[in-house]
Amino acid sequence: AAGVIQSPRHLIKEKRETATLKCYPIPRHDTVYWYQQGPGQDPQFLISFYEKMQSDKGSIPDRFSAQQFSDYHSELNMSSLELGDSALYFCASSLGRGSSYNEQFFGPGTRLTVL
Amino acid sequence: ILNVEQSPQSLHVQEGDSTNFTCSFPSSNFYALHWYRWETAKSPEALFVMTLNGDEKKKGRISATLNTKEGYSYLYIKGSQPEDSATYLCAFDTGGFKTIFGAGTRLFVKA
Repeated sequence: AAGVIQSPRHLIKEKRETATLKCYPIPRHDTVYWYQQGPGQDPQFLISFYEKMQSDKGSIPDRFSAQQFSDYHSELNMSSLELGDSALYFCASSLGRGSSYNEQFFGPGTRLTVL
Repeated sequence: ILNVEQSPQSLHVQEGDSTNFTCSFPSSNFYALHWYRWETAKSPEALFVMTLNGDEKKKGRISATLNTKEGYSYLYIKGSQPEDSATYLCAFDTGGFKTIFGAGTRLFVKA
């Protein structure tokens, strides 16, 4: 069965550079979530999109922005990268408010390292 | 502030032992409670989604119960196996588009 696809899987950037992470949800899933997991920490919710509109916002820094496109894939844009942005970034998708009760299916994650 | 707490933080058991751990969550604004299993170097995998007070779900040797009135859920593993070693996350869903995760319980099963 198709799963959530994230690209790239690994990314190395330098301070003050920009990065773009991509997430391709499971087919027919209309909701995408982004999470950040720092070393030794639990996942922190960043932002979510439902039907191409931002649906909820968590602890996403102002330097980050995200959007969901017409094909439901989502991109997380990160600017002025800082050392503390080094983390594993997970994307998850779900069927939104359907009978799945918001069960989220996670992608493999993108490991971002900022040097 | 919505807070989800899991205990214990980590647990070491022998193969064949049965074990359980707890997820505590707010008793208000409840929509669903999710359990995920997260193995090292993999992404979280959904185990259960629980919505009604008194719900009990089972998948093989793993089962979970839910008490929404007092705000807790238990996850049980019967006859633990080394392949059960993972972090077990619970997540509180208020029905919005944000899910609040607990810090997880890290289970180590020794052969």
